[in-house]
Amino acid sequence: QVQLQESGPGLVKPSETLSLTCGVSGYSISSGYYWGWIRQPPGKGLEWIGSIYHSGSTHYNPSLKRRVTISVDKSKNKFSLKVSSVTAADTAVYYCARGHDYGDFAGHDFDYWGQGSLVTVSS
Amino acid sequence: EIVLTQSPGTLSLSPGERATLSCRASQSVSSSYLAWYQQKPGQAPRLLIYGASTRATGIPDRFSGSGSGTDFTLTISRLEPEDFAVYYCQQYGGSPPWTFGQGSKVEIK
Repeated sequence: QVQLQESGPGLVKPSETLSLTCGVSGYSISSGYYWGWIRQPPGKGLEWIGSIYHSGSTHYNPSLKRRVTISVDKSKNKFSLKVSSVTAADTAVYYCARGHDYGDFAGHDFDYWGQGSLVTVSS
Repeated sequence: EIVLTQSPGTLSLSPGERATLSCRASQSVSSSYLAWYQQKPGQAPRLLIYGASTRATGIPDRFSGSGSGTDFTLTISRLEPEDFAVYYCQQYGGSPPWTFGQGSKVEIK
C-alpha cells in the first residue's frame, strides 16, 4: 500500500522559506511516477504547486515558479518542497501526492495523497 | 492557463437521488485529461475518475464521468450517505499550470 507523509514546521515567519518533506512508503520513487505538491488555503480550493520525476525533471506552476524548488532524495525515498519569501497568502494545507506519467505533453492526476500539513505564515 | 468552472456551487439532495456535477473549461482539454476528486472535511482529496471517464481503483460504479473538449460531467447515480462531500475537477492536459475547479459541494437535503 502506497503511503505518503508530509513533515515540516507548522509556523513560518513572513519573508522566510517554507520547507516540507514528503516521505514515501510502499513504493520506490526510483520506479517511476511523478511526485507532486498541491496546496489548499483554509476554506478554499486546490492549487497545484509543482511536480518532480524520479529523474529529477521538474514542472512548476508559473505563478509560483520564481519562489518554488522541488527536489528528490531517492536514497531516502523522499521529496521536498521549498517556498521562499512567504507571505500570509502562502498559509495553506500542503499535500504531497503521486502523479501518473502521461508523457511529455501532459501533466498528471494524483492517485495517492498524504494527509496534509497545515503551514501558517505569521510573525 | 485553462480555467475550470464547476456548477452548481452547492447541490442539496437526499440519499438515493442522482447527482450531476458540471465542469466547464475555458479552452479545450487535450486528450480528455480531466480528473474528478472527492474531498471530505479534514481529509485529502480522493481520485475518483481520470481520463474523463475511467474510474480509479476501488471506486464504486455509481460514480461515472463523461464529456470531452470543454464540457465534462460527474454523475453519482444513487447517493449514499458517504457521498456527501466536495467534488473537484482537475485538468492536466498540455503545458502547466494544471488546474483545479473551485469545487462543488453535495449536501444532504
